[in-house]
Amino acid sequence: QEQLVESGGGVVQPGRSLRLSCGASGFTFSNFAIHWVRQAPGKGLEWVAFTPYDESDKYYADSVKGRFTISRDNAENTVYLQMKSLRVEDTAVYYCARDGRGNHGGGAFDIWGQGTMVTVSS
Amino acid sequence: SYVLTQPPSVSVAPGKTARITCGGDNIGSKSVHWYQDKPGQAPVVVIYYDTARPSGIPERFSGSNSGNTATLTISRVEAGDEADYYCQVWESRSGQRVFGGGTKLTVL
Repeated sequence: QEQLVESGGGVVQPGRSLRLSCGASGFTFSNFAIHWVRQAPGKGLEWVAFTPYDESDKYYADSVKGRFTISRDNAENTVYLQMKSLRVEDTAVYYCARDGRGNHGGGAFDIWGQGTMVTVSS
Repeated sequence: SYVLTQPPSVSVAPGKTARITCGGDNIGSKSVHWYQDKPGQAPVVVIYYDTARPSGIPERFSGSNSGNTATLTISRVEAGDEADYYCQVWESRSGQRVFGGGTKLTVL
């Protein structure tokens, strides 16, 4: 069964850092690009970051550029989202999602994890 | 940055047809994907590349894309279709992905 599982969420103070993980199973992880998407409470989906299979071209939403870093370890079938200088407005459920087009992405998000909650509060 | 505009809500009676629009500048030149989002669940893609339907998605779901508007059409609407629906594109110049603001579908 193709699956993504996020972890690492929690409550953190503004200005602090947090690292999220996304573990994959059931498919050849190294063949696919991966995205992070978030959803603030009661709000819509917001795309956050993207990495192709080889980390060659990473992209970020303007709202997180310079603060968040996406990376991956294909040997461990895991993608990470390092979040620094967190703000109250970063509070959201964070999902990782597989790009169905393959290693360089450009397709729909065909597999999603169940999400991990990040709360930024003093 | 590229903006996608969706109506906040659409209401339809069971058995009728729901149409959810997604507006964007020359969106017809881009590939549009649609997601269904239900409370407590992960989003699910219901249409990809404008018109393609993933396995397991009912034929009642269809999509179109032309000019400045993409449309998700749900025929013979059922109570279980009640959800938020989001359109999404790849803005290739910036490499960023963009979601519309979402449309809440209510089945009367």
